[in-house]
Amino acid sequence: GAGVSQSPSNKVTEKGKDVELRCDPISGHTALYWYRQSLGQGLEFLIYFQGNSAPDKSGLPSDRFSAERTGGSVSTLTIQRTQQEDSAVYLCASSFQGAGETQYFGPGTRLLVL
Amino acid sequence: GENVEQHPSTLSVQEGDSAVIKCTYSDSASNYFPWYKQELGKGPQLIIDIRSNVGEKKDQRIAVTLNKTAKHFSLHITETQPEDSAVYFCAASRNYQLIWGAGTKLIIKP
Repeated sequence: GAGVSQSPSNKVTEKGKDVELRCDPISGHTALYWYRQSLGQGLEFLIYFQGNSAPDKSGLPSDRFSAERTGGSVSTLTIQRTQQEDSAVYLCASSFQGAGETQYFGPGTRLLVL
Repeated sequence: GENVEQHPSTLSVQEGDSAVIKCTYSDSASNYFPWYKQELGKGPQLIIDIRSNVGEKKDQRIAVTLNKTAKHFSLHITETQPEDSAVYFCAASRNYQLIWGAGTKLIIKP
């Protein structure tokens, strides 16, 4: 079956521009996560969606970052007024439910801010 | 909050030998410990996980051990093969939020 998909796979943008990153989770998965991975580093939690509950936004690094999940499926991560330090790989994962469930990752979006 | 430390950052082993990666965690309430493998240009993929009510789990050449008292867990890969070359991450959680180690780059020498 189809796994988690992300688009675009690569994004190059100029400092100050807004970008939107998309995640399509595995069908039927109620939980969705966004992570950021800087070069050679571990994963930094950004945001968590579970069903119709209010998302956990505690990992978003600044108010320039926001995310939404429409209809309990597709999610979009938006970064406004991008900065060079936003350059990283943005990974999306989904799981059947939440705690203690295997997270299935997409291939990521590689963002480069010039 | 939870903190996970992972060692070593790089591990080079001869093909056919065993590899061991170790992680420690700080939150005694953590009860779920997955290990992920990340190949270049791809997202992490779960290879094995263990819960706090189990001390050891094996899956073919891969095993994980958990010591709750010492708050550490380890990944063991036996009879390493070239395709085992990747970055391995440990993580710990007591709810939905995984706290990740910094990763270990495993190099298998021919």
